Amino acid sequence: DVKVTQSSRYLVKRTGEKVFLECVQDMDHENMFWYRQDPGLGLRLIYFSYDVKMKEKGDIPEGYSVSREKKERFSLILESASTNQTSMYLCASSYDRVIGETQYFGPGTRLLVL
Amino acid sequence: DAKTTQPTSMDCAEGRAANLPCNHSTISGNEYVYWYRQIHSQGPQYIIHGLKNNETNEMASLIITEDRKSSTLILPHATLRDTAVYYCIVYNQGGKLIFGQGTELSVKP
Repeated sequence: DVKVTQSSRYLVKRTGEKVFLECVQDMDHENMFWYRQDPGLGLRLIYFSYDVKMKEKGDIPEGYSVSREKKERFSLILESASTNQTSMYLCASSYDRVIGETQYFGPGTRLLVL
Repeated sequence: DAKTTQPTSMDCAEGRAANLPCNHSTISGNEYVYWYRQIHSQGPQYIIHGLKNNETNEMASLIITEDRKSSTLILPHATLRDTAVYYCIVYNQGGKLIFGQGTELSVKP
């Protein structure tokens, strides 16, 4: 079975802090994704990566950056956390180079920014 | 990507089949129908996908109409653990997975 893990299930940070969310997949997948999920807005794509050191902006990249130094790991960085970044963050991975083949999701990180 | 329309919520008795409909009348020839579900406070879970033919796996069956404008996800023997939000997504290669509001399925004892 594909396993996608995220570093924390719950996280509380203060406004202005730098926040790192880590995601690791164990299936040698090419593609990795970061989404955020908010009530009434569904899942929105923040960034994705289809190869090591490659990244592409999704629909809502503002206020975020990403890093993919190794194939299995994809990090989401909030350079200076703000209260409007309080959300559920979901990482996903997929095998094929073509964006969007079956995606496998991690359990999510619920981030609260005070 | 084509849009989908799903009922907001449905109930199903435990042990009975749950049939979740989805309309995708603007689907184009190279677009797949994907189903995911999300149990409360967890990440979405892939269930099944198809292009034209009906598909079955250990979790569910997917019935796609001949004109491909609608589909039905069938959970043959629903259990309480199947209570979740079910998302029907139409997707083509190079596009993006776009999760709508989904159908909230409640399986009741």
